[in-house]
Amino acid sequence: NAGVMQNPRHLVRRRGQEARLRCSPMKGHSHVYWYRQLPEEGLKFMVYLQKENIIDESGMPKERFSAEFPKEGPSILRIQQVVRGDSAAYFCASSPGTGRTGELFFGEGSRLTVL
Amino acid sequence: GESVGLHLPTLSVQEGDNSIINCAYSNSASDYFIWYKQESGKGPQFIIDIRSNMDKRQGQRVTVLLNKTVKHLSLQIAATQPGDSAVYFCAENTGGGADGLTFGKGTHLIIQP
Repeated sequence: NAGVMQNPRHLVRRRGQEARLRCSPMKGHSHVYWYRQLPEEGLKFMVYLQKENIIDESGMPKERFSAEFPKEGPSILRIQQVVRGDSAAYFCASSPGTGRTGELFFGEGSRLTVL
Repeated sequence: GESVGLHLPTLSVQEGDNSIINCAYSNSASDYFIWYKQESGKGPQFIIDIRSNMDKRQGQRVTVLLNKTVKHLSLQIAATQPGDSAVYFCAENTGGGADGLTFGKGTHLIIQP
């Protein structure tokens, strides 16, 4: 039983480049959440997606950030024109149904470093 | 050892002692709470959860207590081991549009030999 799979685990980008982070949820899970974690801080909600739909993106910066969860393939968090402040660990979590009454299962994270 | 006050960023206890990690949650409407453990360089890992219709739940070496009156959550770890060293986060389901979890700041638990 594979857990939530994220890749790449580490990504280095220069300012102005694009970063793409991928997340494959656990088998049977159709709900995906992205969280961002700065060093020594907690996890901040970014976006909640179901297949082909963005349900809640209230935690996502209005510019440069986008997320998708296509019918086939992994969920992707895309950061355009990265800046140093984007350096963080980005965690994906999945659940089989709504997270309101259940646990979220987290991946190991993708650590983005912007030079 | 016991934590002193809420939102203590670091808690240091002797191996074998009990530890208590505290958390104040924000939304009185939250009906589900989870404690996660995060080891260095890894993702959060589920420890124990509790629903708002309960005030106590026990797992293996861990107990979660919920006080809805003061919106306080605590995690008790019995007979701490070196492998318990990690950052511990409480999370609440605040409902609303996010339908996910809102995390607290975390407490770094250090187990001393």
